Amino acid sequence: AQSVTQLDSHVSVSEGTPVLLRCNYSSSYSPSLFWYVQHPNKGLQLLLKYTSAATLVKGINGFEAEFKKSETSFHLTKPSAHMSDAAEYFCVVSDSTLSGGYNKLIFGAGTRLAVHP
Amino acid sequence: GAVVSQHPSWVICKSGTSVKIECRSLDFQATTMFWYRQFPKQSLMLMATSNEGSKATYEQGVEKDKFLINHASLTLSTLTVTSAHPEDSSFYICSARDRPSSYEQYFGPGTRLTVT
Repeated sequence: AQSVTQLDSHVSVSEGTPVLLRCNYSSSYSPSLFWYVQHPNKGLQLLLKYTSAATLVKGINGFEAEFKKSETSFHLTKPSAHMSDAAEYFCVVSDSTLSGGYNKLIFGAGTRLAVHP
Repeated sequence: GAVVSQHPSWVICKSGTSVKIECRSLDFQATTMFWYRQFPKQSLMLMATSNEGSKATYEQGVEKDKFLINHASLTLSTLTVTSAHPEDSSFYICSARDRPSSYEQYFGPGTRLTVT
């Protein structure tokens, strides 16, 4: 079964500095991996997704993530943080096992990103 | 494209009453819809998966008689919390998939339920 571990529950950065949110996954299959962002009391917005194409995935708002099979990692990065990036970020893996034929999403515990002026 | 809406966005109800939450795919037909629950400062937990015209598949530990899911059409799914109690207070989020083979889900904005 698939699982995902977000290594940091909280990350704090200064505006203009790089962001690194770490995610490791466990999968018996070729996984599909996603990063979602959730602002307070809002729904989830897809930042980017990896589905077995290019290992370096570029997403919205300057975020990108690199799929590293040897390390089973899918870390999210951004070169320069903005105040508006402060939110909760979820690393997600798709469970491709046949559970009634439906591909379920398995969510990590989340990383809260704080951005300071 | 791929917009999912939920109604209401927040609801307060008294203990013992039932409340219905709607999830609609606005610009696509949703072959499958999902219902998640999120407690404060926690991750999303899948409650159930439903396909149009068939019974929902509930995750282990989720009471199917308490959380009634109806997926009556390709654009509408409803979650009814029956005989709500304060511990049912949570953020309920739905998502939808437009193709059976797709891994991607499109999420609604969520419904905050408070049971007093």
